[in-house]
Amino acid sequence: DTEVTQTPKHLVMGMTNKKSLKCEQHMGHRAMYWYKQKAKKPPELMFVYSYEKLSINESVPSRFSPECPNSSLLNLHLHALQPEDSALYLCASSQVLGGVAKNIQYFGAGTRLSVL
Amino acid sequence: GQQLNQSPQSMFIQEGEDVSMNCTSSSIFNTWLWYKQDPGEGPVLLIALYKAGELTSNGRLTAQFGITRKDSFLNISASIPSDVGIYFCAGLTSGTYKYIFGTGTRLKVLA
Repeated sequence: DTEVTQTPKHLVMGMTNKKSLKCEQHMGHRAMYWYKQKAKKPPELMFVYSYEKLSINESVPSRFSPECPNSSLLNLHLHALQPEDSALYLCASSQVLGGVAKNIQYFGAGTRLSVL
Repeated sequence: GQQLNQSPQSMFIQEGEDVSMNCTSSSIFNTWLWYKQDPGEGPVLLIALYKAGELTSNGRLTAQFGITRKDSFLNISASIPSDVGIYFCAGLTSGTYKYIFGTGTRLKVLA
C-alpha cells in the first residue's frame, strides 16, 4: 500500500476563517511533507517533518502552521489566508534519511484550496 | 526555489508515437524520480533511479540516470490517450529531504 490520504479534497474559505488540512499515511514513513502547487508549476516545498519533529520550514508565512501529532498524521492549520494562497496543497511521505529503504516520496491527491 | 531544467516544456504527439523528455541540473543527484500528474490530482510515481547509468523500465516507460549524475531521461513508447498529463522529474541529494523538481513537460496526445 503506497497511499497517502488527504482531506478535504476541496476547501473554500474566507480570509478571516480558520481551517485545517489533514494528511494520513500507514506506510510506516517517518518523514512527511507539505507542498504548495500553483497551476502548471512544480510543487514547492513548505515544511518537512522527520520523526514528528519539524526539520525544514521554507520560510513559510506564519498564517500556515504545521502539526505532526503522530507518525501517521500531518496537519496544516490555516488562518487569515490571502487570495494568493489559493493553490493545490499536497502532502507527501517517505522513509527517513539513512534508512535501508530507497528515498521514494509518495504524494496524496491534494486539497484544492480557494481563498475568497 | 531551485528548479531543474526540463524539456520539452510541452508537446503534442500522435497516438502510437514514442516520446522523449529530459531533465538537466547543474548539481549532482543521488536519486532521480519521475512522476506523472493529472489535472487536480497529486503526482504519481512512475520510475525511481538510484545509480549513474541505471536504465529502468515500467511497462511502456523507460528512464535513465545520466552518467554524469546531472541529468535523467524518460521515454514513453507507443503513446496512448491516457498518457496525457504533466510529467515531472525530481532529484535528490543524499543527506537532505529537499527533492528538487523539474519545470514539467506537458504531454498532449492526438488520437
